[in-house]
Amino acid sequence: GAVVSQHPSRVICKSGTSVKIECRSLDFQATTMFWYRQFPKQSLMLMATSNEGSKATYEQGVEKDKFLINHASLTLSTLTVTSAHPEDSSFYICSARGGVDTQYFGPGTRLTVL
Amino acid sequence: AQTVTQSQPEMSVQEAETVTLSCTYDTSESDYYLFWYKQPPSRQMILVIRQEAYKQQNATENRFSVNFQKAAKSFSLKISDSQLGDAAMYFCAYRSGYGTASKLTFGTGTRLQVTL
Repeated sequence: GAVVSQHPSRVICKSGTSVKIECRSLDFQATTMFWYRQFPKQSLMLMATSNEGSKATYEQGVEKDKFLINHASLTLSTLTVTSAHPEDSSFYICSARGGVDTQYFGPGTRLTVL
Repeated sequence: AQTVTQSQPEMSVQEAETVTLSCTYDTSESDYYLFWYKQPPSRQMILVIRQEAYKQQNATENRFSVNFQKAAKSFSLKISDSQLGDAAMYFCAYRSGYGTASKLTFGTGTRLQVTL
């Protein structure tokens, strides 16, 4: 299947700082990218959907000013957690899809905010 | 809104045996896709198998096959000749066939243990 990379895999930051997570589709063009958050032993919770060159569409309850998403090209999307707090600590997963085809997932980023 | 239900939080199977994971969904749409994803301890989501709703034939990928019952809105996953590496969390997912930005709706997952 297609490959989606995510960087960094783990990040620890201080409260109040911002963290950027990159998601890249390595061997296909991703017209749509998705960002998920996963708490321990739970399912994936969709945070936002982004199309290349467009503003992201956020799910209800997700603060768009806190979780900034940029989908600058057909192979790159970034999620920036601004002014991170301990409650933002979680596992963040990106996913990419080309057209109407199958969705592929990145390996995830574990964010720990101290 | 579509919902996906996985009624088995945990399942266990002996190595080399067969196990079936259940999934039901609710939708009023006629065009959609169904997926099974595997999430091992590494937490990388891996696509196991997909099924297009318009296809009557059940999808098969090596040891993995589905029993797709469209009228009953059921989409179970059968794993044959279970291996230790099959131990993982399995998520059933639904996606509308309408629109390129349609979202995946996940079930709550089934944790599969494989014993010797």
